[in-house]
Amino acid sequence: AQSVTQPDIHITVSEGASLELRCNYSYGATPYLFWYVQSPGQGLQLLLKYFSGDTLVQGIKGFEAEFKRSQSSFNLRKPSVHWSDAAEYFCAVGENFGNEKLTFGTGTRLTIIP
Amino acid sequence: ETGVTQSPTHLIKTRGQQVTLRCSSQSGHNTVSWYQQALGQGPQFIFQYYREEENGRGNFPPRFSGLQFPNYSSELNVNALELDDSALYLCASSLAGRAADTQYFGPGTRLTVL
Repeated sequence: AQSVTQPDIHITVSEGASLELRCNYSYGATPYLFWYVQSPGQGLQLLLKYFSGDTLVQGIKGFEAEFKRSQSSFNLRKPSVHWSDAAEYFCAVGENFGNEKLTFGTGTRLTIIP
Repeated sequence: ETGVTQSPTHLIKTRGQQVTLRCSSQSGHNTVSWYQQALGQGPQFIFQYYREEENGRGNFPPRFSGLQFPNYSSELNVNALELDDSALYLCASSLAGRAADTQYFGPGTRLTVL
């Protein structure tokens, strides 16, 4: 069965600093990978997704993620964070056949300090 | 183009009662998925409906049931509520029931079971 691990429960970053959120997945075939962001009291917003092709994926709000098959990782990065980036971030893996069940990690809460 | 909407926003029930949650999918989408997000956890897949038929189910008991209507809106019904059913319930809509399609999430319904 597919699974996703987000090893960091909580990360604190200074405004303007760079950010990397880790995601490791377990899936037997080529995965569909996603990063979603959730602000307090809100639903999930898609930041970016990887299906195939270029392993460096650009998303919204200046985020990017790199798929590394050898490491089973799909880490999210941003070169300079803004206070508005404070939120919960979820990595998810999707099945590449049949329905679109997404399996989510437990999330990483990002705090931004001035 | 309207996004995914859910009603109600909040709901309080007592153990043993039944509840119905509603979701209107994004315009043009014929697939709806439901997820349960317990506090501090990532969303967990409950089931998906594609063109009014169930198209996959997660590890949830039969007292979780659903419907999709001809206009592709959807309901999630939970019978015999238990305390552990307290969670944020998210629905997501997508275009055509394919793994490659992006799922767009609604803001969720917060269910509290006392």
